[in-house]
Amino acid sequence: AQSVTQPDIHITVSEGASLELRCNYSYGATPYLFWYVQSPGQGLQLLLKYFSGDTLVQGIKGFEAEFKRSQSSFNLRKPSVHWSDAAEYFCAVGGARYNTDKLIFGTGTRLQVFP
Amino acid sequence: NAGVTQTPKFQVLKTGQSMTLQCAQDMNHNSMYWYRQDPGMGLRLIYYSASEGTTDKGEVPNGYNVSRLNKREFSLRLESAAPSQTSVYFCASSESLPGAGNTIYFGEGSWLTVV
Repeated sequence: AQSVTQPDIHITVSEGASLELRCNYSYGATPYLFWYVQSPGQGLQLLLKYFSGDTLVQGIKGFEAEFKRSQSSFNLRKPSVHWSDAAEYFCAVGGARYNTDKLIFGTGTRLQVFP
Repeated sequence: NAGVTQTPKFQVLKTGQSMTLQCAQDMNHNSMYWYRQDPGMGLRLIYYSASEGTTDKGEVPNGYNVSRLNKREFSLRLESAAPSQTSVYFCASSESLPGAGNTIYFGEGSWLTVV
């Protein structure tokens, strides 16, 4: 069955520090992978997505993610975090092999940024 | 530049009352969705409409009904609200189903409390 695991419920970093949010997926074929960000009281905004090709994907707001098939991972990174990055981050997986109508979301990682 | 618009933003219901959440998108998308978001559960798909004239159940459809009124609008109805339906509801849309690699765009959410 398709599933997404975000092992870290809550992460705290200092402003200017680097960031890595973990995402592991279970999918029987080549997945489509997404990272969304949700600011407090807001909907979800797409940060980046992976479909095929280059396994290092660049997104908005200086974020990037790397697809590692051997590790079934799609971790989100940012070299220097800004206070405005404080939000909740969701990884999601979808694909063409199974039921194509579902995008499966992880349970989210809440990022707190200290000045 | 509206994107996905959902109303109302906040609602308090008594157990057993009914209500309808409205959603409209102006991106000419074919597919529309209703998700609910609960703490520690991530986003779960309630119902979706792959295209105008079709609707299908998602992961958690019990207690809900939907109507795809036209290509733009997709409503969610709670016939007899229960406290377990207290949640944040998100409407979303995409050009086509996510299995084809399409990005899902979200509304800003509707906070529903059932007392």
